[in-house]
Amino acid sequence: DGGITQSPKYLFRKEGQNVTLSCEQNLNHDAMYWYRQDPGQGLRLIYYSQIVNDFQKGDIAEGYSVSREKKESFPLTVTSAQKNPTAFYLCASHSFQNIQYFGAGTRLSVL
Amino acid sequence: AQSVTQLDSHVSVSEGTPVLLRCNYSSSYSPSLFWYVQHPNKGLQLLLKYTSAATLVKGINGFEAEFKKSETSFHLTKPSAHMSDAAEYFCVVTAGPGSARQLTFGSGTQLTVLP
Repeated sequence: DGGITQSPKYLFRKEGQNVTLSCEQNLNHDAMYWYRQDPGQGLRLIYYSQIVNDFQKGDIAEGYSVSREKKESFPLTVTSAQKNPTAFYLCASHSFQNIQYFGAGTRLSVL
Repeated sequence: AQSVTQLDSHVSVSEGTPVLLRCNYSSSYSPSLFWYVQHPNKGLQLLLKYTSAATLVKGINGFEAEFKKSETSFHLTKPSAHMSDAAEYFCVVTAGPGSARQLTFGSGTQLTVLP
């Protein structure tokens, strides 16, 4: 089945720790996106990548980093500089028909 | 620049009654508009999409939306609510041509369906 796979489903971060959220797609889409979702709010764009080895900051990139070494993979690292990381994180890829396909999300909490 | 406003943060309906979720947008270009649905702790699923063809768009699960340019609206409707429709719904507009940012999301409408 084609789709977006995010792992893990739940993740806990300790103080001062960096954690990495995985996002893999087998839809052969060039563009991929990371969003943060907080309760009662819409999705806010963290980073996006239109092509391998290239990525751009979104609206709330501070405290996050990404890489795009392969077309299929777009991992997000939440660094210790992100002081309020507790949120639901969604990864998406973008089709030629201008539709975004979403993974099931990763819920990050702070211990 | 583009923006989208969902006029109700919460909507509550009884099972079997009509659903109306309201969305207004602004865009400097001819927009593409979407409605997505999100069930708890899940990703977003596309309900329907408008891309300048027919102004009345039919989606999955009996939902439809009408694009009204004069009112800059794209309201989502369903004739008869089902318990399984309880979820959060997002109205989304695309950025203009040449933009890699792609989508701007509304803040969401939480739909509750009462038995």
